[in-house]
Amino acid sequence: GENVEQHPSTLSVQEGDSAVIKCTYSDSASNYFPWYKQELGKGPQLIIDIRSNVGEKKDQRIAVTLNKTAKHFSLHITETQPEDSAVYFCAASIDRDDKIIFGKGTRLHILP
Amino acid sequence: GAVVSQHPSWVICKSGTSVKIECRSLDFQATTMFWYRQFPKQSLMLMATSNEGSKATYEQGVEKDKFLINHASLTLSTLTVTSAHPEDSSFYICSAIRSVSRDTEAFFGQGTRLTVV
Repeated sequence: GENVEQHPSTLSVQEGDSAVIKCTYSDSASNYFPWYKQELGKGPQLIIDIRSNVGEKKDQRIAVTLNKTAKHFSLHITETQPEDSAVYFCAASIDRDDKIIFGKGTRLHILP
Repeated sequence: GAVVSQHPSWVICKSGTSVKIECRSLDFQATTMFWYRQFPKQSLMLMATSNEGSKATYEQGVEKDKFLINHASLTLSTLTVTSAHPEDSSFYICSAIRSVSRDTEAFFGQGTRLTVV
C-alpha cells in the first residue's frame, strides 16, 4: 500500500520568512496530493491540493510542487504569519474519492 | 464549503462500555466516508472505509468486531467502539466524499475525543 514520508517533523521559521515542507510517496498509482492544516483539537482543513498532471500550483502565499518521476511533492509558504503556526500534513491518494494516506505531520512554529 | 459534523465532539466513558460516534454530511450526500484515528502528536491513521448500504472495509490490523461501522444513509455513518478500554482513548476523525459533476473532494469532521477511564 501507499506510504507517505514527511519531513521535517518540526520547523521553526521567523515571521515573514518562507517555510518548506517536503514529502515523498511510494505508490506510483497515486494521482492526488492534498495538504492539510490541523489546529489543536480540530479536524484537518484542506489548504491546497495538486493532481499528477500538474507540476506546480499556487494560491496566494501557498504553493505546492510535484515531481511525479521522483515521487516528491512539497509545500511552500511565503511571508509566514503567526496564524500559520499549526501542524501540516501532506497526503496521497489514488484519486479525490479514494482513501487518503497521511504523512506524519510537520509542526510549524512561526517565531515573532 | 461543505460541512461534515461529528457528534459528540468529546466523550468520557467507563472501561467496558460502548461508545457511538456519528459522522454526518450536512449539506451533501456521501456514498463513501472514511474513519481515522489520531493519537496525540501523531498522524491520522486510516481505520476503515464506510460505504453506504454495504459492509465497511477495514484496514489491516483494525478489529472489525471492536470498531463497528454502519453507513445506513447517504448522510450518516456511525463508528461504535465496543467494550472500550483505556488504550482506545484517541481522537477519532471522519471524512466524507462529496462528488458534484466531475469535482470530488473529501471534507473532514471536527473530530471526537474519546477518553476511556
